[in-house]
Amino acid sequence: QKEVEQDPGPLSVPEGAIVSLNCTYSNSAFQYFMWYRQYSRKGPELLMYTYSSGNKEDGRFTAQVDKSSKYISLFIRDSQPSDSATYLCAEGGGSYIPTFGRGTSLIVHP
Amino acid sequence: NAGVTQTPKFQVLKTGQSMTLQCAQDMNHNSMYWYRQDPGMGLRLIYYSASEGTTDKGEVPNGYNVSRLNKREFSLRLESAAPSQTSVYFCASGEEAFFGQGTRLTVV
Repeated sequence: QKEVEQDPGPLSVPEGAIVSLNCTYSNSAFQYFMWYRQYSRKGPELLMYTYSSGNKEDGRFTAQVDKSSKYISLFIRDSQPSDSATYLCAEGGGSYIPTFGRGTSLIVHP
Repeated sequence: NAGVTQTPKFQVLKTGQSMTLQCAQDMNHNSMYWYRQDPGMGLRLIYYSASEGTTDKGEVPNGYNVSRLNKREFSLRLESAAPSQTSVYFCASGEEAFFGQGTRLTVV
């Protein structure tokens, strides 16, 4: 069983929709939680980084962590076609190497 | 700011050839990583270096070697390339894993 599970999608939404992306993890020792955006043929770009349960907001993006249920989410408000990409979640921190989900492909159509 | 720089960006090798992928970071990070990314497999850790002078195997180390040359540089070497090593290779640094732009390697 992979330590970090993520639905591969694709998830297709209309422009302006609220997008919800989710991951579950199995190692309760993970301390940090990250979301990355990866455009085709590019490297993953760090979007959000948090190390506590609760919400963290950055512009149209909100990361939510629930350590009790080992569940993390990324919400994108007012989604744009430029948000179309693969979104990777990752957990790590301390002596734990960043461990990645397989990514969810998001398509935002005009 | 350059961040994490990888060279080369593209490479085609013949089976049995060797090559070294270079990675350098300018963020003063202690930890550095090499991942490979294949369709349907996600990012898989090849080797990592928690700090200068240390290296450890990751999930898929067979066929690879690494060198942490100094705090900035972490190289990945393929001694005898095989078609199964055709992949996109990413170097990353720091606890939050900042990534380079990748090396697209094809072994024929």
